[in-house]
Amino acid sequence: DTEVTQTPKHLVMGMTNKKSLKCEQHMGHRAMYWYKQKAKKPPELMFVYSYEKLSINESVPSRFSPECPNSSLLNLHLHALQPEDSALYLCASSRQGLVVGGGYTFGSGTRLTVV
Amino acid sequence: KQEVTQIPAALSVPEGENLVLNCSFTDSAIYNLQWFRQDPGKGLTSLLLIQSSQREQTSGRLNASLDKSSGRSTLYIAASQPGDSATYLCAVRPRETSGSRLTFGEGTQLTVNP
Repeated sequence: DTEVTQTPKHLVMGMTNKKSLKCEQHMGHRAMYWYKQKAKKPPELMFVYSYEKLSINESVPSRFSPECPNSSLLNLHLHALQPEDSALYLCASSRQGLVVGGGYTFGSGTRLTVV
Repeated sequence: KQEVTQIPAALSVPEGENLVLNCSFTDSAIYNLQWFRQDPGKGLTSLLLIQSSQREQTSGRLNASLDKSSGRSTLYIAASQPGDSATYLCAVRPRETSGSRLTFGEGTQLTVNP
């Protein structure tokens, strides 16, 4: 299995809703990432998990709450979002450390619309 | 701070043409460089990964080169096809041992006309 699977593919939520994005990989990667991408812009890093521990938080607002329950799963919990949070949310994974073949594998993304 | 620049920002070519996409980076202390393809509204598909010790990688009609000392990489696409139309992103990974930040360029939007 060489894929990162993200669900749902599309999500529309109101500003008072609570929802979660899910990401799963079975490549044995121990580093997992959340990125946010706005139209016609490159992805922006939000969070990095290394061995299931949060290692980087790029000053993301607390209305975004990541969780890594095990080495294969990564969640992003959403609460009280704003319309400007509408974007494509991408999950990625990679092998941990400086190893040969340490490229990133990205999922197909969740298109989030906040109304 | 690492900065990655891609030139051109957009490119439109007729089918069958060979083309080159350029990527430059300011800090040569990279671990690897990765080229991605992104179709509208979709995720990133990895095309080629070049380790810092390598000079080039090939996959089918694609060839990527890396000159770390000058901070440049090129993606060569041979005999372009309409299906190659997409945005192409290059990204560099620093030499950090923990889960690390990729730095992306702004991308080149490629259109191949039939």
